[in-house]
Amino acid sequence: QVQLVQSGAEVKKPGASVKVSCKASGYTFTSYGISWVRQAPGQGLEWMGWISAYNGNTNYAQKLQGRVTMTTDTSTSTAYMELRSLRSDDTAVYYCARERGELGAFDIWGQGTMVTVSS
Amino acid sequence: DIQMTQSPSSLSASVGDRVTITCRASQSISSYLNWYQQKPGKAPKLLIYAASSLQSGVPSRFSGSGSGTDFTLTISSLQPEDFATYYCQQSYSTPRAFGQGTRLEIK
Repeated sequence: QVQLVQSGAEVKKPGASVKVSCKASGYTFTSYGISWVRQAPGQGLEWMGWISAYNGNTNYAQKLQGRVTMTTDTSTSTAYMELRSLRSDDTAVYYCARERGELGAFDIWGQGTMVTVSS
Repeated sequence: DIQMTQSPSSLSASVGDRVTITCRASQSISSYLNWYQQKPGKAPKLLIYAASSLQSGVPSRFSGSGSGTDFTLTISSLQPEDFATYYCQQSYSTPRAFGQGTRLEIK
């Protein structure tokens, strides 16, 4: 079945980096984009950015520009999100989501990866 | 950037009630509006896309309407499994903003 499976929980110190993976299966990976969305504890959903799995084009949220990099590996149908210079307010569950064509709806979501930033 | 505002922020209702949640965009987004349901500890689930199209597998008691700046999500007859948090999201432009969420609780 169509699914996105993310890597496991991470605990990082302030200033460190984290790289979360999102492996796709059950569909043609290069036919869709992947967005990353995060959710701080008890808070709402925050869009972080998008990557085209077809050509690697990216579009990042302004507030994360310079700290976030999204990449894909088409040989393994895997998307990656790296966040650098971590701060305590980056503590959140990070989700990848498949973006459905030009309508832009997120129709398939990963299970989420908890990233905790703590000294 | 486009801002999305949902109302109410929380809502108490009973099984069988008809419930409506509103989402307003800060500028016209045509019909590029999606609705998600999220239960505690779970990833969001797509309910409605393009303002009024029901995602495959979603019960027909869920419906969406609107265009331009004003949108609604309606649940025609609440079921126990519908108590969750609901988010709207615009896909007209980037950044892909979400509303702040509406928490639907059991009365």
